[in-house]
Amino acid sequence: DTAVSQTPKYLVTQMGNDKSIKCEQNLGHDTMYWYKQDSKKFLKIMFSYNNKELIINETVPNRFSPKSPDKAHLNLHINSLELGDSAVYFCASSRGGEAFFGQGTRLTVV
Amino acid sequence: DQQVKQNSPSLSVQEGRISILNCDYTNSMFDYFLWYKKYPAEGPTFLISISSIKDKNEDGRFTVFLNKSAKHLSLHIVPSQPGDSAVYFCAASAYSGGYQKVTFGTGTKLQVIP
Repeated sequence: DTAVSQTPKYLVTQMGNDKSIKCEQNLGHDTMYWYKQDSKKFLKIMFSYNNKELIINETVPNRFSPKSPDKAHLNLHINSLELGDSAVYFCASSRGGEAFFGQGTRLTVV
Repeated sequence: DQQVKQNSPSLSVQEGRISILNCDYTNSMFDYFLWYKKYPAEGPTFLISISSIKDKNEDGRFTVFLNKSAKHLSLHIVPSQPGDSAVYFCAASAYSGGYQKVTFGTGTKLQVIP
C-alpha cells in the first residue's frame, strides 16, 4: 500500500509545454507539500496546503499552480516549462509530525 | 540563506563502525528536528526526530543528539551496515503563522564499506 503516490515518475517534455504532476496520499493527513530537489540536491519547499487551503508559497513563479481538489490530493500544474524547471519534484504529506514523501517525479525539460 | 546546513556532502565508514552525520542550523525558532534517509530514485523516508526540549533520542542503532546552545545536531549510527548507505537529510521545523514549516539541509551521502 503506497502511502504517498505521485505520477508520473519520469516526465520528459519540451520547453514551452504545460504539464501536470499528480499526488495522492491515503494516510488521512491534513497537510500536503510539494518540494523541489534541484541539480545541487537542495530539497526546497514550494507549496504547502492544509485542508485544501494554501498556507505556504515559497516565491515560486506563477507558472507553477498547485491544485488541491480534496485533502487527499495535491496536483502540480506547470505552464510554459523552462529548462531551469528540470528537477526532481517530491510530494509529501504530514499531520503535525514527520512528513511522508512520494517517490518523486523526475522532470526533464529539453 | 541556508538555515540548515550539512557541511559534509559525503562520508565513508567501515561496516561495524560508527557513522556520525552532522547538521548545523541558524534559526533559533526551530523547535523540532528530523533526519530523513533517501535511497536513489526514492523519496526521503523519516528516520528519527528530536524535540528541542530534549538533547538525545535513541531508536535502535540510530541516536540523534541536539546541542541547542551550539545550534548543532548529529545523527549517530552504530554499528553501521551496508544497507545504511544512502543520502541523509537533516530537517528543522518552526511553528510560524499557525503552521509548522520544515527546512531541509542539503544532505550527506553516507557510504558504508563492507
